[in-house]
Amino acid sequence: AQSVTQLGSHVSVSEGALVLLRCNYSSSVPPYLFWYVQYPNQGLQLLLKYTSAATLVKGINGFEAEFKKSETSFHLTKPSAHMSDAAEYFCAVTVRGQNFVFGPGTRLSVLP
Amino acid sequence: DAGITQSPRYKITETGRQVTLMCHQTWSHSYMFWYRQDLGHGLRLIYYSAAADITDKGEVPDGYVVSRSKTENFPLTLESATRSQTSVYFCASREAGGVYEQYFGPGTRLTVT
Repeated sequence: AQSVTQLGSHVSVSEGALVLLRCNYSSSVPPYLFWYVQYPNQGLQLLLKYTSAATLVKGINGFEAEFKKSETSFHLTKPSAHMSDAAEYFCAVTVRGQNFVFGPGTRLSVLP
Repeated sequence: DAGITQSPRYKITETGRQVTLMCHQTWSHSYMFWYRQDLGHGLRLIYYSAAADITDKGEVPDGYVVSRSKTENFPLTLESATRSQTSVYFCASREAGGVYEQYFGPGTRLTVT
């Protein structure tokens, strides 16, 4: 069975600083990996996805993530944080498509 | 507009009452899902459906019932609501093939008193 861990339930960064949100997965077969963002009182919005085509994946709003099989990681980064990036971020894994397993989420705060 | 909608957005009900949460999508996606979101747990799958009249249990199905008579609708029923079912419920859908990303509705915040 798959599982996802996200290190740090709450991460704070200053505006303009690097954003790094960590995601590690467990899967016995090659996974598909996703990052979703959730703004307050809204549903989840897809940021980016890894589908084995390229290990470095670029998403919306300047975010990117790198799939590292040796480390079973799929960390999310953004070079320069903006106030509008403050949200909850979820990493998810699937191997067969129908069932996603979500991590517990990381709340990102951006300080002025 | 095309998309996935949920109703109601907010609901307060009493313990023991039956309540149905509605989900409607306009993309004709084959798959539909119900999740609940609780602090510290992320999203947990309650039920999913691969097509009309085909449903299956997820991680936390107890206390919930689903049906899918039409492709575009996937209602979730709590037959006898309990306080532990206080949560935010999200519906999602995706296409049958492709790269599996799911598209989420705006959520229903349910409070059971």
